[in-house]
Amino acid sequence: ILNVEQSPQSLHVQEGDSTNFTCSFPSSNFYALHWYRWETAKSPEALFVMTLNGDEKKKGRISATLNTKEGYSYLYIKGSQPEDSATYLCAFVDNTNAGKSTFGDGTTLTVKP
Amino acid sequence: EAQVTQNPRYLITVTGKKLTVTCSQNMNHEYMSWYRQDPGLGLRQIYYSMNVEVTDKGDVPEGYKVSRKEKRNFPLILESPSPNQTSLYFCASSFNRGVHNSPLHFGNGTRLTVT
Repeated sequence: ILNVEQSPQSLHVQEGDSTNFTCSFPSSNFYALHWYRWETAKSPEALFVMTLNGDEKKKGRISATLNTKEGYSYLYIKGSQPEDSATYLCAFVDNTNAGKSTFGDGTTLTVKP
Repeated sequence: EAQVTQNPRYLITVTGKKLTVTCSQNMNHEYMSWYRQDPGLGLRQIYYSMNVEVTDKGDVPEGYKVSRKEKRNFPLILESPSPNQTSLYFCASSFNRGVHNSPLHFGNGTRLTVT
């Protein structure tokens, strides 16, 4: 089983704060890195699919970067809002097996008004 | 509406009583997969299917079976459920044959309790 780690495990911020968290994955056999947002009582929803070293993706106030050579991706949220409260999951896909994706344990973000 | 539909949403059963959780997608996706989620842990892959009649084990396949007889359906079968299979289960699908650059679309989840 591949080792995909997310840090921190949880994060509490005030509304308006900017925040970031990390997904670490194996630096070999990289194919893709996915980010998902999972709100309580809902199902995970895709945020980004990142495939190239140096990729930067943005959706509104949320952005992500990718470093495949050192094996990490950062997710940034600018000006956090209470509706950003969710668990953020990353999933690593390696190029030796097209069907398998390995998820990290997630970072749970709570944004206080 | 494009969606992945799982049934049932909640299920309480007893040890050893065979059960099936259904999963259906209406997006003509080739790839489908099952995951379980336990407290403090991320999603762990149980089985996946790259296409019709093609299934493979994920990281935690013990105690589960799947089938992919038609493109839209991918049922998860527990032949003899045990309490350690109490979990939240998600079915997911994606367009491409594999989980490469195509994101997963998740169902609403099935919360299973085995007593």
